[in-house]
Amino acid sequence: EVQLVQSGAEVKKPGESLKISCKGSGYSFTSYWIGWVRQMPGKGLEWMGIIYPGDSDTRYSPSFQGQVTISADKSISTAYLQWSSLKASDTAMYYCARHVDSNYCDYWGQGTLVTVSS
Amino acid sequence: SYELTQPPSVSVSPGQTARITCSGDALPKQYAYWYQQKPGQAPVLVIYKDSERPSGIPERFSGSSSGTTVTLTISGVQAEDEADYYCQSADSSGTSVVFGGGTKLTVL
Repeated sequence: EVQLVQSGAEVKKPGESLKISCKGSGYSFTSYWIGWVRQMPGKGLEWMGIIYPGDSDTRYSPSFQGQVTISADKSISTAYLQWSSLKASDTAMYYCARHVDSNYCDYWGQGTLVTVSS
Repeated sequence: SYELTQPPSVSVSPGQTARITCSGDALPKQYAYWYQQKPGQAPVLVIYKDSERPSGIPERFSGSSSGTTVTLTISGVQAEDEADYYCQSADSSGTSVVFGGGTKLTVL
């Protein structure tokens, strides 16, 4: 059974750094793209970017390029989403999702709520 | 940047047919995908490659494509289908994935 299990909710202050995780199981982690989707409170889904753990090829949405870093550690089947300096506007639910052919998401994590507040 | 346009809301009575559209210039060249999201839950894929249905998705969900518009059709809508629905596709180069703004389906 394919599962994506995300790290728990985070409460941070503006300017702090953060790295959230998504552990895949039940499939070959290095054979599928895995990516991140943002959902701000009461808003729609926004695609942030993806990584191919097999060779670390990474693609970002133009809206998120330079704002976050996506990485993966294939030895532990885990993908990461990282911020170096959080802003209040980063407050959102973040979902990881397995991508098929880098195109669509067939399995989703449960989501990680990130709250940034002073 | 590339955009997919959906109506903000659609309302239907139980047993009726709901149609949710999604428009985008690259849709004649790129497949579309549809997700259902209920409150407090992660999205679920309901249609892939314009009209294919994943295993476990009821047959009342179907998808179609015509030019720059794709449509998600839910036949015989049930109360449990009330949710937000998002279309998703890629830009013309195929390198950037985009979601539509979402449509709230209300079952009256």
